Amino acid sequence: DGGITQSPKYLFRKEGQNVTLSCEQNLNHDAMYWYRQDPGQGLRLIYYSQIVNDFQKGDIAEGYSVSREKKESFPLTVTSAQKNPTAFYLCASRIRDISTDTQYFGPGTRLTVL
Amino acid sequence: EDKVVQSPLSLVVHEGDTVTLNCSYEVTNFRSLLWYKQEKKAPTFLFMLTSSGIEKKSGRLSSILDKKELFSILNITATQTGDSAVYLCAVTNTDKLIFGTGTRLQVFP
Repeated sequence: DGGITQSPKYLFRKEGQNVTLSCEQNLNHDAMYWYRQDPGQGLRLIYYSQIVNDFQKGDIAEGYSVSREKKESFPLTVTSAQKNPTAFYLCASRIRDISTDTQYFGPGTRLTVL
Repeated sequence: EDKVVQSPLSLVVHEGDTVTLNCSYEVTNFRSLLWYKQEKKAPTFLFMLTSSGIEKKSGRLSSILDKKELFSILNITATQTGDSAVYLCAVTNTDKLIFGTGTRLQVFP
């Protein structure tokens, strides 16, 4: 069953703790992205990776870190430096070739910091 | 600066109405324009458009791109309550996607 998986679906953490959100894809897509969405707001880009062992900061990278050691996996760590981490986090992967350029989203992780 | 602008921000209609959602863009190195539907969860993919004037159609939804005037429209005919959602437009360039803020559509019975 192909697709993008994110875990966990819901995550509760105490203030000051680092948390890592998982994102895995078996679509063989090269590029992967992390977005944050706050209630009633649009999507904001946190980090993206176009190839294994390489990633770039998005618009709101402060307080977050990522790694891309395998093509299938792009985990996001929300550190204690992130001032307001409660949000809906979406991972996506992108396919680009001669005839197509499309991005697909995982189901998301809702993070609540207590 | 790259930008994608969607209009209207919000739309309220009755079942059976036809709606047109707009997306205009100014993006360097344009590759494609994407439409998504987002209910209370992750966005789901609707259409990818790369060529001007070629309509993409899926059931009651259709979309077309004008690369000269830099805009796209998403049409929904005979709306149903299940069409209620936020519709997102995004433009891809070589690095990433630039998203609009979305149009919130509410369909009442």
